[in-house]
Amino acid sequence: AQSVTQPDIHITVSEGASLELRCNYSYGATPYLFWYVQSPGQGLQLLLKYFSGDTLVQGIKGFEAEFKRSQSSFNLRKPSVHWSDAAEYFCAVQGGADGLTFGKGTHLIIQP
Amino acid sequence: GAGVSQSPSNKVTEKGKDVELRCDPISGHTALYWYRQSLGQGLEFLIYFQGNSAPDKSGLPSDRFSAERTGGSVSTLTIQRTQQEDSAVYLCASSFERGVKETQYFGPGTRLLVL
Repeated sequence: AQSVTQPDIHITVSEGASLELRCNYSYGATPYLFWYVQSPGQGLQLLLKYFSGDTLVQGIKGFEAEFKRSQSSFNLRKPSVHWSDAAEYFCAVQGGADGLTFGKGTHLIIQP
Repeated sequence: GAGVSQSPSNKVTEKGKDVELRCDPISGHTALYWYRQSLGQGLEFLIYFQGNSAPDKSGLPSDRFSAERTGGSVSTLTIQRTQQEDSAVYLCASSFERGVKETQYFGPGTRLLVL
């Protein structure tokens, strides 16, 4: 069975600073990987996804993620965060054609 | 365009009562998914539909949970004899088709509180 680990429950970053959120997955075959963001009281919005090909994927809102098979990682990055980026971030893997398996999430706090 | 909608947005009920949660997928999406988000368990996948069929119900937490989909569109998740541990946010998602490369689009969720 697949699993996702997000090691950081909370991360605090100053506005304008760079951001990296960590995600490690466990899956026996080629994983399909996703990052979603959830703002308070909102549903989940897809930031980006990786299926195959170029290991650096670009997403919305200036986010990118890099797939590293050797490290079983799919870390999310942003060069300069904005106060509006404060939210909960979820990494997910889809091994079969069914539901997504999510990590526990990382709560991002932006300091002014 | 219209996204996935869910109703009610909030539901407070008493322990032992039955509740129905509704999901309206994006028009034309054939696959529909239910998830539960709770403090203790995080985001859990419950069940999916391809058309009106739910081939695998093993993700439902107990036999008090059931789901159906009619007309290949609206789905309802029913919880019978609710318990306090059922308190959670229930999220619905839909995708154009069922498949590993299909993006799932999520609704805003129904926040259920069982007193």
